[in-house]
Amino acid sequence: SQKIEQNSEALNIQEGKTATLTCNYTNYSPAYLQWYRQDPGRGPVFLLLIRENEKEKRKERLKVTFDTTLKQSLFHITASQPADSATYLCALPQISFGAGTTVTVRA
Amino acid sequence: GAGVSQTPSNKVTEKGKYVELRCDPISGHTALYWYRQSLGQGPEFLIYFQGTGAADDSGLPNDRFFAVRPEGSVSTLKIQRTERGDSAVYLCASSFGGPPNTGELFFGEGSRLTVL
Repeated sequence: SQKIEQNSEALNIQEGKTATLTCNYTNYSPAYLQWYRQDPGRGPVFLLLIRENEKEKRKERLKVTFDTTLKQSLFHITASQPADSATYLCALPQISFGAGTTVTVRA
Repeated sequence: GAGVSQTPSNKVTEKGKYVELRCDPISGHTALYWYRQSLGQGPEFLIYFQGTGAADDSGLPNDRFFAVRPEGSVSTLKIQRTERGDSAVYLCASSFGGPPNTGELFFGEGSRLTVL
C-alpha cells in the first residue's frame, strides 16, 4: 500500500537556524506532494504543493524539494522563528498523510 | 463564514450510541473529504465525495461508518454502535477539484469524538 514516512517525530532548533524535514514515500508515483502545517487543536493548513516536474518550490522562508528518484521530499524553514513552531505534515494527493514532524523553535 | 465549518466541535458519547458529525464545506467546492486523526498521527483518509456521490470510500474502517452528501454541499458522517476505539478528531476538508488534480485542501477545525 502507499506509505509516507516523515523523518522524526520532533525537531528542536534555535531561532534563526534552518529546519529540514524529510518525507519519504513508497509504492506510489505521485504527480505532486503537498505540505501542511498543523497547530494544536486546529485543522491542517496548506502551505505548498510541488509537482513531479518541479525540483524546488519556494514561498517566503519555506522551500520544498521533490526528488522522484529518491522518492523523497525535503521541507526547509529558513531563518526560523518561534512562531514557526508547529507540526508539519507531508501528504500524497487525497489519500495519505505522514504522521508529521513537530518543530519547536527556541528563542 | 468563508471556511469549512464542522459541528459539533466536541462530542462525548457512550459506547454503543449513534453519532452524527456535520461538515459544511466552502461554497463552490465540489470535492469533500473526511479524515480521522488520532493523537500523534497524521490524518487518516476515510471517504471522498465528488458532488453528491462517494467517489472513494475505501478508508471507512467498517460498516458502522457511513457518510452522505445528498445535495452536493453539506456532508454528514454517521457512526453507529460507537466503540471506544472510534475516539479521535474527525476532520473534514474541501477543495475545488478532486483526484487526479487535487489542489489545496481546506480543512475545518475538526470534531473531537470521545466514546466512554
